[in-house]
Amino acid sequence: AQSVTQLGSHVSVSEGALVLLRCNYSSSVPPYLFWYVQYPNQGLQLLLKYTSAATLVKGINGFEAEFKKSETSFHLTKPSAHMSDAAEYFCAVSDRNNDMRFGAGTRLTVKP
Amino acid sequence: KAGVTQTPRYLIKTRGQQVTLSCSPISGHRSVSWYQQTPGQGLQFLFEYFSETQRNKGNFPGRFSGRQFSNSRSEMNVSTLELGDSALYLCASSLGDREQFFGPGTRLTVL
Repeated sequence: AQSVTQLGSHVSVSEGALVLLRCNYSSSVPPYLFWYVQYPNQGLQLLLKYTSAATLVKGINGFEAEFKKSETSFHLTKPSAHMSDAAEYFCAVSDRNNDMRFGAGTRLTVKP
Repeated sequence: KAGVTQTPRYLIKTRGQQVTLSCSPISGHRSVSWYQQTPGQGLQFLFEYFSETQRNKGNFPGRFSGRQFSNSRSEMNVSTLELGDSALYLCASSLGDREQFFGPGTRLTVL
């Protein structure tokens, strides 16, 4: 069965610092992988997705993620954090149809 | 193109009551999925409907049910509400290609 593990339920960075949010997946077939962001009292917004094309995926708001099959990882990065990046981030995996499984989420705090 | 809409946005019910939540997908999307989000359990998949048929189902009791209409709009029903059903219920629509677009959610509070 497919699953996702997000390492670190809370991550705190200073404004301008590198953001690194970790995600490892488990899937029996080539997966589709996603990163979503959720702001308070809102739904989930898609940041980026991996669908077996390029392993380095660029998303919105300056985020990108790299698919590493050998490490079963799909970590999310952003070179320079902004205050507006403070939110909860979810990694998700889908290996068939729309059976999508989410990680537990990582809350990102950005300090001024 | 309008996004996914969910109604109502907020709902307060008491234990034992039932509730129906509604989701209107993006025009042209035939798949609708429902998720429950709680602080303790995170995001959990409830079920997915595609062309009026339930295609996938998560691990929830039979009190949770859903349906999809011919216009792809979907409803979710929870009967005999329990305190633990308090959550944010998210609906997501898709063309069927695994990229899901989420609505703002319905915040259900059970007293």
